[in-house]
This record gives sequence, structure tokens and C-alpha cells, in this order.
Amino acid sequence: DAGVTQSPTHLIKTRGQHVTLRCSPISGHKSVSWYQQVLGQGPQFIFQYYEKEERGRGNFPDRFSARQFPNYSSELNVNALLLGDSALYLCASTPFSGQGGQPQHFGDGTRLSIL
Amino acid sequence: KQEVTQIPAALSVPEGENLVLNCSFTDSAIYNLQWFRQDPGKGLTSLLLIQSSQREQTSGRLNASLDKSSGRSTLYIAASQPGDSATYLCAVPTQAGTALIFGKGTTLSVSS
Repeated sequence: DAGVTQSPTHLIKTRGQHVTLRCSPISGHKSVSWYQQVLGQGPQFIFQYYEKEERGRGNFPDRFSARQFPNYSSELNVNALLLGDSALYLCASTPFSGQGGQPQHFGDGTRLSIL
Repeated sequence: KQEVTQIPAALSVPEGENLVLNCSFTDSAIYNLQWFRQDPGKGLTSLLLIQSSQREQTSGRLNASLDKSSGRSTLYIAASQPGDSATYLCAVPTQAGTALIFGKGTTLSVSS
């Protein structure tokens, strides 16, 4: 079975632009989470979506938004890009939301570079 | 507020050595603790998940232990190999179970 897939793999943007990152969860998983990982740090939680509804939000500005589609895939949108948004963006999926006992499965990430 | 700390930040060992990576957390009321491996520029690979009711989990040469009362977990790697070189991250869920809180990781280098 396919794992969590993310696209694109790499992306280069300039300051002020916007970007859309995509994620497809493991088949049967209904919850998708997004994380930002800057170099040398652990991943930081951005959003969790379950059944197309936002279930959790981390400490990120309103320039960051996301949505989940009926097939449980998800998009992360970032507007007015800043140099500090350069990072590896990771997507994770779980079968359900709010059940802390289940493991999260991560994709390979999208490397976003802002010039 | 839950905080996760990993010590050391970096570790270099010769091939064949047994080693221990440390993870500590400030709030002992956790559902579980998960250990991940991350290769440079790549995503996270789940290694072991220890439920709060468990004391340890084993997978091959890896053994993870959990002591909730002291807020500590260790990842023991036996007979290390160059292929074990990577960054190892530990993480615990938030109380709502909607997010993981990560440490900064330990970068391991195993020389042949």
C-alpha cells in the first residue's frame, strides 16, 4: 500500500508569492496533519484536519491555511511568503483524530525555499 | 505546556558500539511516545511507539523504554552500523491528541 504522498518534492518561490502544497494520506486514513520543520529543529505543528474540518491549529499566522477534500487529501496554502517560511513541510496521516494512542505516518515532505 | 528535550544534540560513535539516545518531557500525562528516524532532507520514519501503559518496545536492534513518572525515554541501539547514521527524533501527543510535540533531535554518525 502507498504511504503518505506529498507534492511537489521541491519548490522555489520569491518573497510575497503564495504557495500550495499537497498531501494524500494513507488509504483508509481520514485525518491529515501538517508540520513545518526548519533546519536544525524538530517539526512544529501547523494544522490537523479530520473529515474536512479543522481539529487543531498551531501557533502560525493567518497567512497559513489548509483544507481537506472529500477523498481526505489535503492542501496547505501559504500567502505573502517570507524568507522565514523556508522549511521542509511535512504531512502526516492517522485513521482518526484526537486519539493520542495512534501512531502518525509521515510523508517525505516538500522542501520550500524562499528567495 | 509540554516541552520535549533530547540530549545529546549530536553523537559520533565507531561501528559496533552500543549507544543510548535520551528524550525527556515535562508533562508526564502522555498517551504514548514515538521515536522517529530522519535521513537528511527526508521525511520521518516511525521506529517505535510506546503506549503509556508500556515500559518498553523492541524492534530488531532497537529498544525504547519509557518512564512516565520521571518524564524520560531512552532509545537503545545495539551494535551500531554506518547505516544507522541519521537524526533521531522523539515526540509525544498533545492532550487533545491532535498534534505531536517534537524534540530537536539527536544527530547520530556511525563511522566504519
